[in-house]
Amino acid sequence: GIQVEQSPPDLILQEGANSTLRCNFSDSVNNLQWFHQNPWGQLINLFYIPSGTKQNGRLSATTVATERYSLLYISSSQTTDSGVYFCAVASGYDTGTASKLTFGTGTRLQVTL
Amino acid sequence: DTEVTQTPKHLVMGMTNKKSLKCEQHMGHRAMYWYKQKAKKPPELMFVYSYEKLSINESVPSRFSPECPNSSLLNLHLHALQPEDSALYLCASSQSPGQVLNEQFFGPGTRLTVL
Repeated sequence: GIQVEQSPPDLILQEGANSTLRCNFSDSVNNLQWFHQNPWGQLINLFYIPSGTKQNGRLSATTVATERYSLLYISSSQTTDSGVYFCAVASGYDTGTASKLTFGTGTRLQVTL
Repeated sequence: DTEVTQTPKHLVMGMTNKKSLKCEQHMGHRAMYWYKQKAKKPPELMFVYSYEKLSINESVPSRFSPECPNSSLLNLHLHALQPEDSALYLCASSQSPGQVLNEQFFGPGTRLTVL
């Protein structure tokens, strides 16, 4: 199956700092999502971005599908940004494989005052 | 409204108990999913329902039994679980399996403890 690697595994930032999280995947994808998991376990959708660039407030994401990686940028970080950030992908175009989201191991972010 | 609801939020059960987890969505989605997440690990897919039919079972033990009574509801019936089954169980839905823009939306999860 498809392999998904995220880096760095852990990140500690001071409030106001910027950061870049990376997601590498081993095969072509037709679904790539970035999630933020809060301390209560809720997975919050950040971006659906199988290719291209998107921005939402202080967050932006870029996926370069031909080179099999995606980047999540967090600017002016806040303590509420703390949690785990997951990249998840699905590949294939039939009903079965296109539905199978495989998650990376995540980046654990802590933002301090 | 991109909301998936799950009940209960927390569940403690013994190894001989039978319990059920419930998931509901009202977004008109036709694909629904169960994931299992152990502490400090990423979620792992268990089952996929496509148009109310089971389309993927990721070799999950038979003590977990999914059910999709209609297009809005997804249940996970639990029986004779083991302590190692303690985890966060997440439900998700997406517009339609295998389609473009098949973004998945997750519920808040049920935190299960098996004693």
